[in-house]
Amino acid sequence: DAKTTQPPSMDCAEGRAANLPCNHSTISGNEYVYWYRQIHSQGPQYIIHGLKNNETNEMASLIITEDRKSSTLILPHATLRDTAVYYCIVRVAFNSGYALNFGKGTSLLVTP
Amino acid sequence: GAVVSQHPSWVICKSGTSVKIECRSLDFQATTMFWYRQFPKQSLMLMATSNEGSKATYEQGVEKDKFLINHASLTLSTLTVTSAHPEDSSFYICSARDSSGGFSDTQYFGPGTRLTVL
Repeated sequence: DAKTTQPPSMDCAEGRAANLPCNHSTISGNEYVYWYRQIHSQGPQYIIHGLKNNETNEMASLIITEDRKSSTLILPHATLRDTAVYYCIVRVAFNSGYALNFGKGTSLLVTP
Repeated sequence: GAVVSQHPSWVICKSGTSVKIECRSLDFQATTMFWYRQFPKQSLMLMATSNEGSKATYEQGVEKDKFLINHASLTLSTLTVTSAHPEDSSFYICSARDSSGGFSDTQYFGPGTRLTVL
């Protein structure tokens, strides 16, 4: 799996957009970008994933650069409940059956 | 989204006893489940991969005789910590991969089990 680099921590004001960056310069053509988050003392929660096109769902948007070497997770209107550790994971998909390798992630603090 | 449950959510036991943790996929079938361990202020570390009807595959450094994994059905995997010691105290989390067809390599995680060994 390609290695990812994320800032260790970020702050965001409640109601504002939270933009979480992730660098994955060694990503391969068949590797997807996955985002998960973990709220304190809970299991990780799936957020979104993508291959090369930008993706949006009810939780967030994922912007992947054209060269796919980096991506940004966007929480459009952050709330206090979005305070969590956010993990960017790059790996092969399609029934590969492999576990997710979690790095250190970005600890996002949403403040009132 | 798909739901994965774990039981118990927390457990306290005496050193030397065994503890069983259950992981269930509630609304989908999972041929593959994963067990992770997380120590305070650290990230999740994969312990083992559990495939239904076959032996689990353990990560390097994880003792298979200490952490017994059984995946007897498509919706249930169990992790038994045998002869638990205080250093086994941790947050144990399982995940399940939806194998019901179509594109979905999304893995869904359980809420975790907090194990404290006295």
